[in-house]
Amino acid sequence: QSALTQPASVSGSPGQPITISCTGTSSDVGAYNYVSWYQQHPGKAPKLMIYEVTNRPSGVSNRFSGSKSGNTASLTISGLQTEDEADYYCSSFTSSHTVVFGGGTKLTVL
Amino acid sequence: QVQLQESGPGLVKPSETLSLTCTVSGGSISGFFCSWVRQPAGKGLEWIGRIYTSGSANYNPSLKSRVTMSVDTSNNQFSLRLTSVTAADTAVYYCARGPGGRNLDDWGQGTLVTVSS
Repeated sequence: QSALTQPASVSGSPGQPITISCTGTSSDVGAYNYVSWYQQHPGKAPKLMIYEVTNRPSGVSNRFSGSKSGNTASLTISGLQTEDEADYYCSSFTSSHTVVFGGGTKLTVL
Repeated sequence: QVQLQESGPGLVKPSETLSLTCTVSGGSISGFFCSWVRQPAGKGLEWIGRIYTSGSANYNPSLKSRVTMSVDTSNNQFSLRLTSVTAADTAVYYCARGPGGRNLDDWGQGTLVTVSS
């Protein structure tokens, strides 16, 4: 299985919105509504931010939202804050009943 | 609040077997999928596989020939075995838990495993 495609880096200023894309295939992202997004700060374990494309776990800020169109999913962070600076990974369930991650995106808050 | 803790040797010799255990506290693993994810230094996340508490497992196709997962519901633990390791298997290994196995709700802190002679 091939990794999902994410931009290597994105940046934005505090208060601005940013969007991170995650492109897969009809066998993963396009097959199910089982796309998740994780935030990882340096030296820390990943944290689930979005599951099943659009759902936020309890305690995750509503500034984080997810969407999907075809084989591409997106994570949007509205009103960027300095603490949002981290690496972000998407993942998708696949038609083979496995999970595949994206390569990760480094978010810089300018 | 559920907590996951990985344990096992931090150093494994090439060609030998890497073995890790994840102990879950504050919550049961029964009815959950338990997963392993690894991350080489400076690189992205790689899904290794998942196992349900019934013992049914799915593995990353690229690692399938070398991976075995098991679960011990009586001790609230699950384990990973990776055979014939090489330097390319050096990574931080995370255990994680999720209700459907498609998203990982709870994570351990990770443990560094180095493959070196």
